Amino acid sequence: GEEVAQTPKHLVRGEGQKAKLYCAPIKGHSYVFWYQQVLKNEFKFLISFQNENVFDETGMPKERFSAKCLPNSPCSLEIQATKLEDSAVYFCASSEPGTSGGNEQFFGPGTRLTVL
Amino acid sequence: DAKTTQPNSMESNEEEPVHLPCNHSTISGTDYIHWYRQLPSQGPEYVIHGLTSNVNNRMASLAIAEDRKSSTLILHRATLRDAAVYYCILSYYNTDKLIFGTGTRLQVFP
Repeated sequence: GEEVAQTPKHLVRGEGQKAKLYCAPIKGHSYVFWYQQVLKNEFKFLISFQNENVFDETGMPKERFSAKCLPNSPCSLEIQATKLEDSAVYFCASSEPGTSGGNEQFFGPGTRLTVL
Repeated sequence: DAKTTQPNSMESNEEEPVHLPCNHSTISGTDYIHWYRQLPSQGPEYVIHGLTSNVNNRMASLAIAEDRKSSTLILHRATLRDAAVYYCILSYYNTDKLIFGTGTRLQVFP
């Protein structure tokens, strides 16, 4: 597709429940990025993939967060045992292969996760 | 991670030019400078990026200081649709991850 698609748009979970978010990157883009936006303006990088391989996972909380990008499937971000502090909007972005550091990232509309 | 600092908010009148400043004094030689903007309830949208030289595109211009410790996004004629939060961002050469600042909320008045 021509746009990054993210599902669901909203997700509500009780503390301790699992949450799974999906992202379909733009066709032909080989890089996928996940970002977390807390408190409106604070973005945090979580993880990136080059095709199905983890490219950079320096931002991932290792204990409860995991992510995958498998061939012919949407990418996913899963949070086991959600906590109140996981409430945020999670954005997925994709980019073409090319000049390192200088590629435009195309963002999806985000998934708003609310943990009660 | 290298950080950026921006004013919290700025105002402009429609049809006037807007200069949005950004400081990134800890930038390294291979970090790119990106600008993205975020309209309410949407994901960030690419505006422009550069490494050392000034850049122009259909949306804006990017002026980069000679020492690269600061940059300015220039919107040549602000419209009401330009009202958004503008983020000055550094991207790491090796990984492409974007390190967001806290952004400048731009208000545009008719």
